[in-house]
Amino acid sequence: YELTQPPSVSVSPGQTASITCSGNNLSDRYAAWYQQKPGQSPILIIYQDNKRPSGIPERFSGSNSGNTATLTISGTQVIDEADYYCQAWDISVFGGGTRLTVL
Amino acid sequence: EVQLVESGGGLVQPGGSLRISCAASGFTFRNHWMHWVRQAPGKGLVWVSQVNSDQSSSKYADSVKGRFTISRDNVKNTLFLQMNSLTVEDTARYFCARFHMGALDYWGQGALVTVSS
Repeated sequence: YELTQPPSVSVSPGQTASITCSGNNLSDRYAAWYQQKPGQSPILIIYQDNKRPSGIPERFSGSNSGNTATLTISGTQVIDEADYYCQAWDISVFGGGTRLTVL
Repeated sequence: EVQLVESGGGLVQPGGSLRISCAASGFTFRNHWMHWVRQAPGKGLVWVSQVNSDQSSSKYADSVKGRFTISRDNVKNTLFLQMNSLTVEDTARYFCARFHMGALDYWGQGALVTVSS
């Protein structure tokens, strides 16, 4: 089973960024999203498709339908520049990661 | 505060062995499944292994199956990864992570393992 993400996404500050994660019938499974900044450990930002852990800003949201899970960052900030990884909870595999550039 | 602190990383020759540890605190360790995830330099996250709460079940990525062994000590609140027959492709930072509500909600800072002659 594979999860496919775009290698890179660019967005202007204040705009909405969308990062996709594709897998066969992915909506049959819960998706999670992780943010990783250079030199740091990953941080969980979305679990069970659309839930945010405590402390994660409301501008981060998630959805999962059909074959695609989507991470949406509304009002993207420069501090959101990072690598983002998706994961299907019952299948121990990560997507390849997406580098989000905010400029 | 949940903390996961890895240790035991280092330089090892190809074919060698290494055991890395992850000391857990701030939560009831024995109630949680635990995972190891690795990241080669400049590359993405790769799941390595998982173990259930009482160590009755474990699972491995194909790339490490038969060479790596995950274990835990629920008295000492510590997770282990025994790595044998190491190759240069095993060079990576190894993160331990807690599994909760279907995701890895806390991660350690990682232990760097370098396999080189």
